[in-house]
Amino acid sequence: EVQLVQSGAEVKKPGESLKISCQGSGYSFTFYWIGWVRQMPGKGLEWVGIINPSDSDTRYSPSFQGQVTISADKSNSTAYLQWSSLKASDTAMYYCMRRMLGRHYFDYWGQGTLVTVSS
Amino acid sequence: QSALTQPASVSGSPGQSITISCTGTSSDLGGYNYVSWYQQHPGKAPKLMIYDVSNRPSGVSNRFSGSKSGNTASLTISGLQAEDEADYYCNSYTSSSTLEVFGGGTKLTVL
Repeated sequence: EVQLVQSGAEVKKPGESLKISCQGSGYSFTFYWIGWVRQMPGKGLEWVGIINPSDSDTRYSPSFQGQVTISADKSNSTAYLQWSSLKASDTAMYYCMRRMLGRHYFDYWGQGTLVTVSS
Repeated sequence: QSALTQPASVSGSPGQSITISCTGTSSDLGGYNYVSWYQQHPGKAPKLMIYDVSNRPSGVSNRFSGSKSGNTASLTISGLQAEDEADYYCNSYTSSSTLEVFGGGTKLTVL
């Protein structure tokens, strides 16, 4: 069974760092890109970026370039989204999803990780 | 990179049909047949409903259909049911370095 399992909810203070994860199972991890979207409370999906775990080719939305870092460890089939200095405006649900190489749709999604940044 | 443009809300009565539009540019939606649609119920992760403009994944009702003309794609839901009430998002591949772009989402209300 294909699954993308994300790490649990986080509560952080402004200025702290954070790394959340998305572990794939039930498929060949390196055959699929892993993408990330942000969903702020009561708002729509915003494209964050995407990584190809086989070669670490990474692309970012201009809105998130320099604000977050996407990485992947193919040895444990896990992708990551990280911040070096969180802001209150980073408070949101973050979803990961997979996209087959050469295809352009996201067929499986993680359950989401809620990040709350508050002093 | 601007998001694709969707209406904020649409509504319809049970049994009726509705259409949600998604407008992009020739660099994304208009230039490729790589439009997908996602349904999101409150508190849940999005679910793929349509891919490559008009294809349905296994398990998705044939009441859902997709099409595209020029720079605008459409999702049509026929025979509306209460369970269809959700937010719907379009997505397209883009020639820009970001690779993907999403629409702002449309809230479907079943009256």
